[in-house]
Amino acid sequence: SQTIHQWPATLVQPVGSPLSLECTVEGTSNPNLYWYRQAAGRGLQLLFYSVGIGQISSEVPQNLSASRPQDRQFILSSKKLLLSDSGFYLCAWSVKGAYNEQFFGPGTRLTVL
Amino acid sequence: AQSVTQLGSHVSVSEGALVLLRCNYSSSVPPYLFWYVQYPNQGLQLLLKYTSAATLVKGINGFEAEFKKSETSFHLTKPSAHMSDAAEYFCAVSARNSGYALNFGKGTSLLVTP
Repeated sequence: SQTIHQWPATLVQPVGSPLSLECTVEGTSNPNLYWYRQAAGRGLQLLFYSVGIGQISSEVPQNLSASRPQDRQFILSSKKLLLSDSGFYLCAWSVKGAYNEQFFGPGTRLTVL
Repeated sequence: AQSVTQLGSHVSVSEGALVLLRCNYSSSVPPYLFWYVQYPNQGLQLLLKYTSAATLVKGINGFEAEFKKSETSFHLTKPSAHMSDAAEYFCAVSARNSGYALNFGKGTSLLVTP
């Protein structure tokens, strides 16, 4: 069966510090991968998606970046965090195709102070 | 572009009562629609999905949703609420121009009272 992991589960970082969140998927190959951010009362916002190794599409211009160094690994990064980067970050994967549901990881709670 | 609107950020029902969570969609093409549930500090779990087959879709935990094209709606229902149903519920539509990422509504928080 397929599983998706995210770490760390929680993170408290000072403003201006770097960020690296990791997501890995097991039990499948060549998935579509997604990063979402969830802020209170605002639903989920798509940040990045990837349809293959090294292929990253950004949906919202900001100080975050994403990389996919391996087929089942998706990394979210920042060089300098802002207060507004606080939130709950969710990674998801799906089988390629138009109507396939996405499977979500447990999430990372990021607090920027 | 495809989008969804969830009516009511908070819904409160008594245990055993009908649950009705509203979702309306906007799409210029036939939509693929989903309902997810989120428990506190957890990821999202799929409840059900509509992919243009049957208009009445049954999901997990006794939930179901009906696709109504004339009303552009995809409301989620459950005949009898349980205390364990208290959670955040999200309606979503597949965005065909973003790697089939999901465009989510803002969510509805369901409170179940004894």
